[in-house]
Amino acid sequence: NAGVMQNPRHLVRRRGQEARLRCSPMKGHSHVYWYRQLPEEGLKFMVYLQKENIIDESGMPKERFSAEFPKEGPSILRIQQVVRGDSAAYFCASSPNRRDQNTEAFFGQGTRLTVV
Amino acid sequence: DQQVKQNSPSLSVQEGRISILNCDYTNSMFDYFLWYKKYPAEGPTFLISISSIKDKNEDGRFTVFLNKSAKHLSLHIVPSQPGDSAVYFCAASATGSGYALNFGKGTSLLVTP
Repeated sequence: NAGVMQNPRHLVRRRGQEARLRCSPMKGHSHVYWYRQLPEEGLKFMVYLQKENIIDESGMPKERFSAEFPKEGPSILRIQQVVRGDSAAYFCASSPNRRDQNTEAFFGQGTRLTVV
Repeated sequence: DQQVKQNSPSLSVQEGRISILNCDYTNSMFDYFLWYKKYPAEGPTFLISISSIKDKNEDGRFTVFLNKSAKHLSLHIVPSQPGDSAVYFCAASATGSGYALNFGKGTSLLVTP
């Protein structure tokens, strides 16, 4: 693994509770991306963040979902009032810069959210 | 709206033979393409990428070909090994979007001894 740390690995929440997913990017990486993978589907882009800034949130649902990447600490994906349809694997990726021919985005192992 | 399509959900290949995984895209703004490999319960692992200014990129047993006019790319694995058995995702991004990637649904490759 390239060193992107996500926790928890597994998270169970009851409907209506809040879910907080954490992502610590690789050392030296200042760009973070969140993706969601539903069963039998590919990964869907949700949000792209730099330190203290949201660059692109075009893939984020309009309600209940928010993301941040503070100056200190991990990036957080927050889901309020979870519903069964939020059950999925959530992956975080990080990269050192916007995009470069000689770099790529490294993914964490994901957080599997189950809403019961 | 699926902008990156992998039309073969699965592929089975004998060890030692060539594996060819295909990917089509619809968005002409895509200019950077990547292949990721994924095992169950793990995150995707980067394999190889190609910029739209090239039509081929090679790294060991892995070669990616890009046909811009057809909006098609393919990943060739030669020779295939049992350890290559995994789900392979094709992904694409447009200029200015960083690694906000559009992924295909994946092709499950099984390499049999």
